[in-house]
Amino acid sequence: AQSVAQPEDQVNVAEGNPLTVKCTYSVSGNPYLFWYVQYPNRGLQFLLKYITGDNLVKGSYGFEAEFNKSQTSFHLKKPSALVSDSALYFCAVRYMDTGRRALTFGSGTRLQVQP
Amino acid sequence: EAQVTQNPRYLITVTGKKLTVTCSQNMNHEYMSWYRQDPGLGLRQIYYSMNVEVTDKGDVPEGYKVSRKEKRNFPLILESPSPNQTSLYFCASSLSGSYNEQFFGPGTRLTVL
Repeated sequence: AQSVAQPEDQVNVAEGNPLTVKCTYSVSGNPYLFWYVQYPNRGLQFLLKYITGDNLVKGSYGFEAEFNKSQTSFHLKKPSALVSDSALYFCAVRYMDTGRRALTFGSGTRLQVQP
Repeated sequence: EAQVTQNPRYLITVTGKKLTVTCSQNMNHEYMSWYRQDPGLGLRQIYYSMNVEVTDKGDVPEGYKVSRKEKRNFPLILESPSPNQTSLYFCASSLSGSYNEQFFGPGTRLTVL
């Protein structure tokens, strides 16, 4: 079964510092990996995805993520955090090699950026 | 404006009273999906549809029905709602398949008493 884990319920970082939001996935074939962000009282918004190719993926709002197959991780990063980055972040996975087309989301990580 | 709309945005109902949450997209997307969001559990997929008349179960389909008679609409039906279906529901669509960027609706907060 496909699954994704976000080990931290909350990440706190000071504005201007680099941020990392962690995501790991279960090992079973080749994954499609995604990051979405949810601002208060809003639906989710797409940030970036990894399908194949370069392990470093760049996305919206200055975010990037690195696919690491040996560690089965897809951590979200940003070099310099903004207060406006404070939101709920979700990692999601879908496997290429199976007929299963459903998308599985992690439990979410709340990012709090302090001024 | 390209968007996914859901109605109603808020609904309070009682156990056993059938209800439908509508979802519509104006982007000519083939793929549509329903999720529920619960604290500590993230988003869980209820049903998805690859195209008109093609639907399949997600991770938590019990107690829900869907239909896809038109490309733009994907209603979620609760035939006999129960309190454990109290949740925040999101509809989403993408061009084709879950490997594409999904566009999410604003959400429907459902309370079943």
